[in-house]
Amino acid sequence: EAQVTQNPRYLITVTGKKLTVTCSQNMNHEYMSWYRQDPGLGLRQIYYSMNVEVTDKGDVPEGYKVSRKEKRNFPLILESPSPNQTSLYFCASSLSITGGVYGYTFGSGTRLTVV
Amino acid sequence: KNQVEQSPQSLIILEGKNCTLQCNYTVSPFSNLRWYKQDTGRGPVSLTIMTFSENTKSNGRYTATLDADTKQSSLHITASQLSDSASYICVVTPLNDYKLSFGAGTTVTVRA
Repeated sequence: EAQVTQNPRYLITVTGKKLTVTCSQNMNHEYMSWYRQDPGLGLRQIYYSMNVEVTDKGDVPEGYKVSRKEKRNFPLILESPSPNQTSLYFCASSLSITGGVYGYTFGSGTRLTVV
Repeated sequence: KNQVEQSPQSLIILEGKNCTLQCNYTVSPFSNLRWYKQDTGRGPVSLTIMTFSENTKSNGRYTATLDADTKQSSLHITASQLSDSASYICVVTPLNDYKLSFGAGTTVTVRA
């Protein structure tokens, strides 16, 4: 089944403790992206990647890092999480940056709570 | 800054009734406009896609319309079902930019 898999689904952590949220897709998509979703604000892009070793900042990159060493994986790293990073995170992938015919395929989300 | 505004923020309808969601955008020129459905706790799923030259697109009981002149789109849900309870997100792709513009979504609750 074509899908984007995120792990973990739920995570509670303490301020300052480094964490990684993994994202993997099995559709050979070149484009991958991370978003955070907060009530009333909609989806906001954190980072995106056009292809292996090509990443760039989205609208809200502060406090986050990413890497794209393999085409299928695009982990999101929080080096020193803070409470304002408590949010619902989504990874997405697509054939092209515009989404193509099928649009973006989103993962099921990771609900992160930083205390 | 390109913006996408959706209305209403939320609505409640009875099962079997119709409803219409609105999306106004300032993105111009744009490549395509999509509507996504997001069930609670899940990622968004694409419902429809329209290019600037299209003015209607259907997917089962979902019909999206687009008026590129007024920069408005709507999503009409016909004969609503309990499974239609979700958030519906309007997303506009600019023609000459990579950054998608997301609306904040409309939350639809269908009651029996």
